[in-house]
Amino acid sequence: QKEVEQDPGPLSVPEGAIVSLNCTYSNSAFQYFMWYRQYSRKGPELLMYTYSSGNKEDGRFTAQVDKSSKYISLFIRDSQPSDSATYLCAPKVNRDDKIIFGKGTRLHILP
Amino acid sequence: SAVISQKPSRDICQRGTSLTIQCQVDSQVTMMFWYRQQPGQSLTLIATANQGSEATYESGFVIDKFPISRPNLTFSTLTVSNMSPEDSSIYLCSVEDQGIRGEAFFGQGTRLTVV
Repeated sequence: QKEVEQDPGPLSVPEGAIVSLNCTYSNSAFQYFMWYRQYSRKGPELLMYTYSSGNKEDGRFTAQVDKSSKYISLFIRDSQPSDSATYLCAPKVNRDDKIIFGKGTRLHILP
Repeated sequence: SAVISQKPSRDICQRGTSLTIQCQVDSQVTMMFWYRQQPGQSLTLIATANQGSEATYESGFVIDKFPISRPNLTFSTLTVSNMSPEDSSIYLCSVEDQGIRGEAFFGQGTRLTVV
């Protein structure tokens, strides 16, 4: 079993819809959970950062971590065409540990 | 945050040749990281480069194939040696935030095609 599993998509949704992106992981020692967004021909950039279980909200974005089921989610409300990108979940055990990246989900928001 | 400049942004190379990718950071950092992103695959760490010491390679990557230099605290190079079409990929340079989060910052990547 891979450490981080993520559906590669592509996922196409109409503008204004709520988007749900998900990852599962196998390493129960993960404590730091990040979501990176990668636009075409660009490097990834940090979008959301969560420590341990719970929810974190930032504008239209909500990151959710359920450590009991080893499930990570990213919700995007009122999706915009500018949200079209690849989203990578990226957990790690400790602050100084290697980041383990999921394959990324390609998201298309249709105008 | 950190601003990372990577060169070249893309290249098409003949098999059997080598390509050196440069990475410049706008601030001094202890560690720099090199990743590979193959089509449909996750970002995979190739090696960690510390200034003044040999790079540390991840399982499946060797120095002869991916030699790395780290001459100072703001610069590093990755060479892809004796290239084959399987080396076609995006190569990314990264540094990590020195604060509590340890988030990674990335260059824009080098898109390599080997023909």
